[in-house]
Amino acid sequence: AQKITQTQPGMFVQEKEAVTLDCTYDTSDQSYGLFWYKQPSSGEMIFLIYQGSYDEQNATEGRYSLNFQKARKSANLVISASQLGDSAMYFCAIWAGGTSYGKLTFGQGTILTVHP
Amino acid sequence: KAGVTQTPRYLIKTRGQQVTLSCSPISGHRSVSWYQQTPGQGLQFLFEYFSETQRNKGNFPGRFSGRQFSNSRSEMNVSTLELGDSALYLCASSDPGQGAEAFFGQGTRLTVV
Repeated sequence: AQKITQTQPGMFVQEKEAVTLDCTYDTSDQSYGLFWYKQPSSGEMIFLIYQGSYDEQNATEGRYSLNFQKARKSANLVISASQLGDSAMYFCAIWAGGTSYGKLTFGQGTILTVHP
Repeated sequence: KAGVTQTPRYLIKTRGQQVTLSCSPISGHRSVSWYQQTPGQGLQFLFEYFSETQRNKGNFPGRFSGRQFSNSRSEMNVSTLELGDSALYLCASSDPGQGAEAFFGQGTRLTVV
């Protein structure tokens, strides 16, 4: 079974500053993928970034980067130059190999508030 | 390229009724997964369909069922609705192959009264 732990229920950041959202995971599979999603109050889950377990480089997508530390089973999301529109709930998720077809296991989420 | 489309966006149903939710995946995506999101339980996996076959199922009672059509569109059905079924139901589509990015729709918010 897979597990995602997000220990920060809420985070606050000043506009234009960087913020790190924590995520630790647990899986016994060697092949897995880690995802971050953003969920604004509208409810839609917006894909942000993906990191495969065999990827040697940390994933980056624009202002988003994933700080992947495999030995520590950590996959923190870094948002640089925060914007007011970044205020939302953020979820970390894992897909693991084998017969986990289509199944993502999500953490409880972190609410990010960006102050002007 | 159109995103994942879920209909309807909002539903109000009475206990004991049944409901059908629809999901149209991104063109070319053959895998569709369904999730239930509640404040208490968070996001929970319901089931996944690929090429009209259910390949994976979460821990939900048999009242929750789904199907996928030849055009990859998927429906989920909940029979004998209970108050606890009130939730945001999200579907996600992805390219064939495990581990690919999953793209979600805007969800259907179901309220059972």
